[in-house]
Amino acid sequence: DMQMTQSPSSLSASVGDRVTITCRASQGITNYLAWYQQRPGKVPKLLIYAASTLQSGVPSRFSGSGSGTDFTLTISSLQPEDVATYYCQKYDSAPLTFGGGTKVEIK
Amino acid sequence: EVQLVESGGGLVQPGRSLRLSCAASGFTFDDYAMHWVRQVPGKGLEWVSGIGWNGGSIDYADSVRGRFTISRDNAKNSLYLQMDSLRAEDTALYYCAKAAAVAAKIFDYWGQGTLVTVSS
Repeated sequence: DMQMTQSPSSLSASVGDRVTITCRASQGITNYLAWYQQRPGKVPKLLIYAASTLQSGVPSRFSGSGSGTDFTLTISSLQPEDVATYYCQKYDSAPLTFGGGTKVEIK
Repeated sequence: EVQLVESGGGLVQPGRSLRLSCAASGFTFDDYAMHWVRQVPGKGLEWVSGIGWNGGSIDYADSVRGRFTISRDNAKNSLYLQMDSLRAEDTALYYCAKAAAVAAKIFDYWGQGTLVTVSS
């Protein structure tokens, strides 16, 4: 089965920093890649789909890029409310697969 | 307002069965695919199964194929997951998730989850 590998598994950054999370697919998935945010104690929230399309209501400091096997989620200016674990998910075909998650904390 | 409310979780012995339900409201249920996603507390997300708007297009994760059965009743706005031959590794919080309008295999609304514990 396909694997989705996220890096880093955790990071600590200061408020206002630019944060980048990487997701790598073991096979090409064109742009069938979504990103979710899961704040502590909350359910996941869809942030981005089609690799770079922002879900309605998501702040513009979030952006996504990539195609094929390599994808990136960027937070342009980290805010305290962005403390969460972020997951990528491939959805080109079943089985749908999530990455292992990246935990983002404030330094 | 979209609401998804799961029920049916609990403590069950290995090898036994459990049926999860998800009651949906706030949207036209039979317009959307639906999914089950699970999460071991403190760990990552694992997609379990999905079903198309009309009960077709059913898929399963390899880890549950042959043991779990997804179904839906559009007249009752409800999604189900029949879990048979349960194993300790099935212990998790099970979320019901609505497919997004833009793609049937991504999830734009999630329930709060129902906890399944498989233990003797």
